[in-house]
Amino acid sequence: KAGVTQTPRYLIKTRGQQVTLSCSPISGHRSVSWYQQTPGQGLQFLFEYFSETQRNKGNFPGRFSGRQFSNSRSEMNVSTLELGDSALYLCASSDIAGTNSPLHFGNGTRLTVT
Amino acid sequence: KQEVTQIPAALSVPEGENLVLNCSFTDSAIYNLQWFRQDPGKGLTSLLLIQSSQREQTSGRLNASLDKSSGRSTLYIAASQPGDSATYLCAVRRGGGGADGLTFGKGTHLIIQP
Repeated sequence: KAGVTQTPRYLIKTRGQQVTLSCSPISGHRSVSWYQQTPGQGLQFLFEYFSETQRNKGNFPGRFSGRQFSNSRSEMNVSTLELGDSALYLCASSDIAGTNSPLHFGNGTRLTVT
Repeated sequence: KQEVTQIPAALSVPEGENLVLNCSFTDSAIYNLQWFRQDPGKGLTSLLLIQSSQREQTSGRLNASLDKSSGRSTLYIAASQPGDSATYLCAVRRGGGGADGLTFGKGTHLIIQP
């Protein structure tokens, strides 16, 4: 079974631009969540989707948004990029949201904002 | 607000030793606790998940314990090997259905010397 796939692996953007990251969950998994990882703050929860509905959102500004499609694939978008948005963005999937199912993570998208 | 602390931040031990990684959390109302490992430039790999009603979980050379009342978990690694070198992360999911995502500690960077 293929794991969680995130594309692209690396991105370099300029301040003020916007970016879209993509995540394909493990086949059969309907829950997708996103996390931001930085050296200073560590891993922080962005949002979680289940059956195309956002279940919850972490403490991030409205510039961070996401969506989930009917095939469970998910995208996250960051508008008006700031230097502080440089981070590793990780996507995770599980079969059911918010339960005792373990999360399976992708290898992440490394975003650099210059 | 839930806070997760991992001690030590870094650990270097010779191959073959048994070792213990520590994780503490401030709010005992958790749904579950997960241990992950992260290799450089990669995503997270789920190692063990302990439900709030459980006291421990075992997988191969790994054993994780949970003491919810004291807000502590330990990850025991037996007969360490160089391949165990990685960053180990502890994360808790809030009780009540867990829609808030996981709250992570900053991790323990483990080096096993051959």
